[in-house]
Amino acid sequence: KNEVEQSPQNLTAQEGEFITINCSYSVGISALHWLQQHPGGGIVSLFMLSSGKKKHGRLIATINIQEKHSSLHITASHPRDSAVYICAVRNFGNEKLTFGTGTRLTIIP
Amino acid sequence: EPEVTQTPSHQVTQMGQEVILRCVPISNHLYFYWYRQILGQKVEFLVSFYNNEISEKSEIFDDQFSVERPDGSNFTLKIRSTKLEDSAMYFCASRRVGQPQHFGDGTRLSIL
Repeated sequence: KNEVEQSPQNLTAQEGEFITINCSYSVGISALHWLQQHPGGGIVSLFMLSSGKKKHGRLIATINIQEKHSSLHITASHPRDSAVYICAVRNFGNEKLTFGTGTRLTIIP
Repeated sequence: EPEVTQTPSHQVTQMGQEVILRCVPISNHLYFYWYRQILGQKVEFLVSFYNNEISEKSEIFDDQFSVERPDGSNFTLKIRSTKLEDSAMYFCASRRVGQPQHFGDGTRLSIL
């Protein structure tokens, strides 16, 4: 069973700040997902990673397989980035995703 | 961009009643999933479905739950006799091989 931990649980920052959200897991995985959940509840997939780094616009996701750790970075944060960011992992040979508890991000104008 | 569509957005049902939650996955996707999120808690995996059969299910997915892909486009989750603790947001997701999952907007199920 994979234990997925995220930190921080809550993060409030000023517009324009560089944001980092962390995720660690206990068992080796085949893939890690970063998801965004808005107040209405809908979930959007941001990244799927199995190694290295991915970038999409102002969002960057990195993963260190040896350390079982991933980070999600947001550059030049904006109030519309306010959401819950969730890390989820898939173990080898499984279909299921195991989710972290999420990080609630609030960006203040 | 194609989307996963879930209906209804909110379902209110009396305890003990059967409920069917409906999902239309993205048309060329082959893997289908149901998840639930109890208010204030993390998202939990219920079941995955591939090639017209369940490929994996969690401990939550007991005999009260069933899934079906009746007509090649819809993917349904049935809860046979609902309990108060089934109240949650239920998410459907689908994906292609090697690609991330796409999630629907969810159905909020309230059991009275």
